Amino acid sequence: AQSVSQHNHHVILSEAASLELGCNYSYGGTVNLFWYVQYPGQHLQLLLKYFSGDPLVKGIKGFEAEFIKSKFSFNLRKPSVQWSDTAEYFCAVNNNDMRFGAGTRLTVK
Amino acid sequence: DTGVSQDPRHKITKRGQNVTFRCDPISEHNRLYWYRQTLGQGPEFLTYFQNEAQLEKSRLLSDRFSAERPKGSFSTLEIQRTEQGDSAMYLCASSPQDRTQGQYFGPGTRLTVT
Repeated sequence: AQSVSQHNHHVILSEAASLELGCNYSYGGTVNLFWYVQYPGQHLQLLLKYFSGDPLVKGIKGFEAEFIKSKFSFNLRKPSVQWSDTAEYFCAVNNNDMRFGAGTRLTVK
Repeated sequence: DTGVSQDPRHKITKRGQNVTFRCDPISEHNRLYWYRQTLGQGPEFLTYFQNEAQLEKSRLLSDRFSAERPKGSFSTLEIQRTEQGDSAMYLCASSPQDRTQGQYFGPGTRLTVT
């Protein structure tokens, strides 16, 4: 069965710190991978996606993620976070349905 | 506004009552999805439609839950004989035929069963 694991439940960073949020998935077939973000009081928004090609994908607001097939991972990164990046981040895997991880809450102080 | 809309945004009901939620997807999207999200968890897939056909249902969708998309446009999710465990945020999303484009989410309907 498909599953998605996000390693950190809550991450606290200072502004300008670098960010890496872990995501591992369990699925043997072709996968489409996504990161969604949910800002306080807002609905889920697509941050970036991977379905084929270059394993390093760039998304909005300076975020990027790297697909490492051998590790079944799709970690999210940002070189320098801002206070406005405070939000909940969800990794997801899509085949016919979408499986989400439990989310990582990021607080930037 | 061309995004996904959901109605109502909040619903408080007493245990045992029936509730119905509505979702209006992005007009050119033929796929529509329902999810449930509880505090501290990611969204959990419930069901999805391609046009008017309901193609997949999660085991989470007990026989008290029913979803329809009669004309391939808006969708409704009904919960009969609500239980306190049904309290959650119910999310709707839509996508084009190409799954690689990702899904676009609505604001959700927060259900509280007292």
